Amino acid sequence: DAGVIQSPRHEVTEMGQEVTLRCKPISGHNSLFWYRQTMMRGLELLIYFNNNVPIDDSGMPEDRFSAKMPNASFSTLKIQPSEPRDSAVYFCASSLPSGVYTEAFFGQGTRLTVV
Amino acid sequence: AQSVTQPDIHITVSEGASLELRCNYSYGATPYLFWYVQSPGQGLQLLLKYFSGDTLVQGIKGFEAEFKRSQSSFNLRKPSVHWSDAAEYFCALKKTSYDKVIFGPGTSLSVIP
Repeated sequence: DAGVIQSPRHEVTEMGQEVTLRCKPISGHNSLFWYRQTMMRGLELLIYFNNNVPIDDSGMPEDRFSAKMPNASFSTLKIQPSEPRDSAVYFCASSLPSGVYTEAFFGQGTRLTVV
Repeated sequence: AQSVTQPDIHITVSEGASLELRCNYSYGATPYLFWYVQSPGQGLQLLLKYFSGDTLVQGIKGFEAEFKRSQSSFNLRKPSVHWSDAAEYFCALKKTSYDKVIFGPGTSLSVIP
């Protein structure tokens, strides 16, 4: 398996523009997580899905952030409009929801820079 | 609410020396516990995990961790550090197999020759 695949790896955008980050989880994984990593705040969980349904979005910072999981093999995290303080590395992770193998497998991340 | 603390923000050790990274958690029951490593510019890689049973767990790259319920700790150890171990290390927990993973703030490890 190729692991969790995120695109793009790097994104530079101007303030006010819409940004869409994409994630393809590992096949067969039912849970998907979006994290944001910054020097100041460390790893923050933004939202997670079980079986394509958002379970906890309490970490989504503002209404400018939205996430969707239209099917089991694809998820997006959208920021509209983007702001410089959104600059961070965004990680997607997936896992099986139960059983022995419940650790999260992480993608390589998307480094977002908003100028 | 459950939380994870890693008291050491940064640790420097000499190559070949032993290593112990501390992790404490706050949760009323026994959680699922993990240690992840993040090399610069990379995603997080699982080193080891504890769910139940033997409190000393072995992981990849020669790492081990010991769960101590009485101390609410899950410290990571390695008997002899290699220069390639320089990275950021994260302790994490889940309350249940269905729950979200909560990460500690991380410990940055530097290895000097």
